[in-house]
Amino acid sequence: EAGVAQSPRYKIIEKRQSVAFWCNPISGHATLYWYQQILGQGPKLLIQFQNNGVVDDSQLPKDRFSAERLKGVDSTLKIQPAKLEDSAVYLCASSLNSVEETQYFGPGTRLLVL
Amino acid sequence: RKEVEQDPGPFNVPEGATVAFNCTYSNSASQSFFWYRQDCRKEPKLLMSVYSSGNEDGRFTAQLNRASQYISLLIRDSKLSDSATYLCVVSYTGGFKTIFGAGTRLFVKA
Repeated sequence: EAGVAQSPRYKIIEKRQSVAFWCNPISGHATLYWYQQILGQGPKLLIQFQNNGVVDDSQLPKDRFSAERLKGVDSTLKIQPAKLEDSAVYLCASSLNSVEETQYFGPGTRLLVL
Repeated sequence: RKEVEQDPGPFNVPEGATVAFNCTYSNSASQSFFWYRQDCRKEPKLLMSVYSSGNEDGRFTAQLNRASQYISLLIRDSKLSDSATYLCVVSYTGGFKTIFGAGTRLFVKA
């Protein structure tokens, strides 16, 4: 079974530039999560989708971050404009139906903002 | 107070030792509990779910204490390969919310 795919794996940008990350969850998984993990910290949930609807985006900085999951499958996360403090690993995860189930993570995208 | 708190460690133990980690959570409505393992520069992976009655998987034992609002992970006969960061995860279905602790780092040395 294919796992969660993410791209790109690495990205270096300058502050105030824009960047987008892509995630393809495990086939059939209804729930998709985007996390931000800063070095030395645990993953912080940015947004959670159930199919193509948002169920939790309370920690998403909506002035600069946006995410969508069209057709309930792939998802993109965008940052516009980026700040230095956005440097982190952005992890995408999926689970079959809910937060009560195992989350499967992709390899993440390492973002460095200069 | 953070919703999920863990001792960051690091815990430095010799091979064969027994080590235990605790994780406290603040929301009594929490319903699902997990331990994930994260190796350096890798993604988190599920180690085990934590059930009310406690559960064991080989050398790993997880316990839940709802009254005191903490979960624990016990690793017996530590191996070098157990060196990793252990993340406590708490979820509550009502708010569809998932919260990760900051993790506890474990180093097992020969």
